[in-house]
Amino acid sequence: AQRVTQPEKLLSVFKGAPVELKCNYSYSGSPELFWYVQYSRQRLQLLLRHISRESIKGFTADLNKGETSFHLKKPFAQEEDSAMYYCALAYGGSQGNLIFGKGTKLSVKP
Amino acid sequence: NAGVTQTPKFRILKIGQSMTLQCTQDMNHNYMYWYRQDPGMGLKLIYYSVGAGITDKGEVPNGYNVSRSTTEDFPLRLELAAPSQTSVYFCASSYTGTGFPYGYTFGSGTRLTVV
Repeated sequence: AQRVTQPEKLLSVFKGAPVELKCNYSYSGSPELFWYVQYSRQRLQLLLRHISRESIKGFTADLNKGETSFHLKKPFAQEEDSAMYYCALAYGGSQGNLIFGKGTKLSVKP
Repeated sequence: NAGVTQTPKFRILKIGQSMTLQCTQDMNHNYMYWYRQDPGMGLKLIYYSVGAGITDKGEVPNGYNVSRSTTEDFPLRLELAAPSQTSVYFCASSYTGTGFPYGYTFGSGTRLTVV
């Protein structure tokens, strides 16, 4: 069965330090992966999709099929990056259903 | 441009009561979803719809019902509320063009407490 694992509930770093939020997945098909972010008092929003190979707000994520991982990285964390981050896997083909990890709370300290 | 609108934002129900969580989107998205999020857990899919008149069960559908009479609206009905349904409920919509979603747009959530 498909599964998304985010091993860290909380990640605390200092401003300017590198950040890596871990995500591992289990899926027998070809994975379509996403990162979503929820800032304080805001709704959940899409941060990036692996298929777009984009960089949003300085964040990047590379799909590693060998390690079944989709870690989110940023070289220099900013205080405004503090938020909950959710990794998600699309399954069900064209149905577009997402399964979410439990989330990692990123806290960037000044 | 409202996006996805959920009402109410908060609600307290007594055990056995019923209610409908409303969800409306104005982006002409074909797909809509209902998720619930329990504390410390990820979002779990309750029901989804791929278009008007079509709905299907997700991972945790028991105790809920949905309908999709229009593209815009996707209400979630709770019958005979139970404490286990205390959760935050999120509605989302997406557009699929090439077989996978272009990313969900979420509503702000409804925090439901059943006492």
